[in-house]
Amino acid sequence: SQTIHQWPATLVQPVGSPLSLECTVEGTSNPNLYWYRQAAGRGLQLLFYSVGIGQISSEVPQNLSASRPQDRQFILSSKKLLLSDSGFYLCACISPTNTEAFFGQGTRLTVV
Amino acid sequence: QQQVKQSPQSLIVQKGGISIINCAYENTAFDYFPWYQQFPGKGPALLIAIRPDVSEKKEGRFTISFNKSAKQFSLHIMDSQPGDSATYFCAASTGGNNRKLIWGLGTSLAVNP
Repeated sequence: SQTIHQWPATLVQPVGSPLSLECTVEGTSNPNLYWYRQAAGRGLQLLFYSVGIGQISSEVPQNLSASRPQDRQFILSSKKLLLSDSGFYLCACISPTNTEAFFGQGTRLTVV
Repeated sequence: QQQVKQSPQSLIVQKGGISIINCAYENTAFDYFPWYQQFPGKGPALLIAIRPDVSEKKEGRFTISFNKSAKQFSLHIMDSQPGDSATYFCAASTGGNNRKLIWGLGTSLAVNP
């Protein structure tokens, strides 16, 4: 099965600062990769997904961007954070030979 | 537009009772229906999943019931335990290379000891 490594676990950043969250995958090749955001007590909002290196689809227009520089690396970025960017960010992957989505442990981002 | 509608939003059950969470979907092209369990501060993890060619799947105390004609599926937790207290998400997806899960909004389950 796949393992998702996501870091950092928690992050406090001031408004206007940049952001870089990284996610790496083990145990599969050519996975579909996903970034989700979860507000407190709410559901999972799909932000970006990628079916291959350099291929990014954006689900929601926003202050964030994503990149996939390597097959098993997915990065979420922002040039200038907003207060509304606070939330719990989750990286997930689905192997091409499976239907199960595996999630990382998440990053709790607080923008102050 | 919420393509997968989940209810209830929250649920309180006594230890040993049955927890039931329901989901309804609209897209008849969906071919995979998983349930995920999420503990506070953790990522969701697959609990149990079903495909539309069967009406029920059971794994231990967890059962999915699937009604294709009604476009509904539900999670039943038998003999609920305090350790089952978590948020549960249903989801649905279609196949192919661009598989994306469409998520319900989640149910917060509390099992009282």
